[in-house]
Amino acid sequence: QSVLTQPPSASGTPGQRVTISCSGSSSNIGSNYVYWYQQLPGTAPKLLIYRNNQRPSGVPDRFSGSKSGTSASLAISGLRSEDEADYYCAAWDDSLSGSEVFGGGTKLTVL
Amino acid sequence: EVQLVQSGAEVKKPGESLKISCKGSGYSFTSYWIGWVRQMPGKGLEWMGIIYPGDSDTRYSPSFQGQVTISADKSISTAYLQWSSLKASDTAMYYCARRELHGMDVWGQGTTVTVSS
Repeated sequence: QSVLTQPPSASGTPGQRVTISCSGSSSNIGSNYVYWYQQLPGTAPKLLIYRNNQRPSGVPDRFSGSKSGTSASLAISGLRSEDEADYYCAAWDDSLSGSEVFGGGTKLTVL
Repeated sequence: EVQLVQSGAEVKKPGESLKISCKGSGYSFTSYWIGWVRQMPGKGLEWMGIIYPGDSDTRYSPSFQGQVTISADKSISTAYLQWSSLKASDTAMYYCARRELHGMDVWGQGTTVTVSS
């Protein structure tokens, strides 16, 4: 059971907008930044969003992040087939001796 | 080019010891944290721990404290993850990643560890 809760799956058709949620608590999302990672099949994870809503250079602006209270969301607009991947949220957790935690991951299927 | 290159796949027996490596290049190795992440077959990412090679300050997830040891040799820009006695449940892909203020921004290619009798 992950400290951060994500839906196990999400889906959408090309061009659609999909959102993936990440629910935590006051000790993690409620008091720290949220990060999002994308893991394409058979590859290492890649940083997608940092500090709740910032995109590293090279990440398309179709990807956006937001945070409110103890929850966060990743939105993908103009869905493309190459977006089919696993998505993970992450945050530091003040109650776990200064360690970081990941959500359980959401598998996004592009129909 | 900033990169992390991990050691190759390992096949071990239960009870054996193992040390896998993660070599950084293209940046100041001592100025960034290096984290380790486990991914068991078909499962999600698990944060194991992190080390700052500059002074070897190390933090562990409570789930992995006492189960593994994270270390670094800054003279050769390499971080390590080691086990003293492997179990079948340690079978997984292990990733190292550079952890900076803006998240884990550079990842190694992963090291597969298989523990089987």
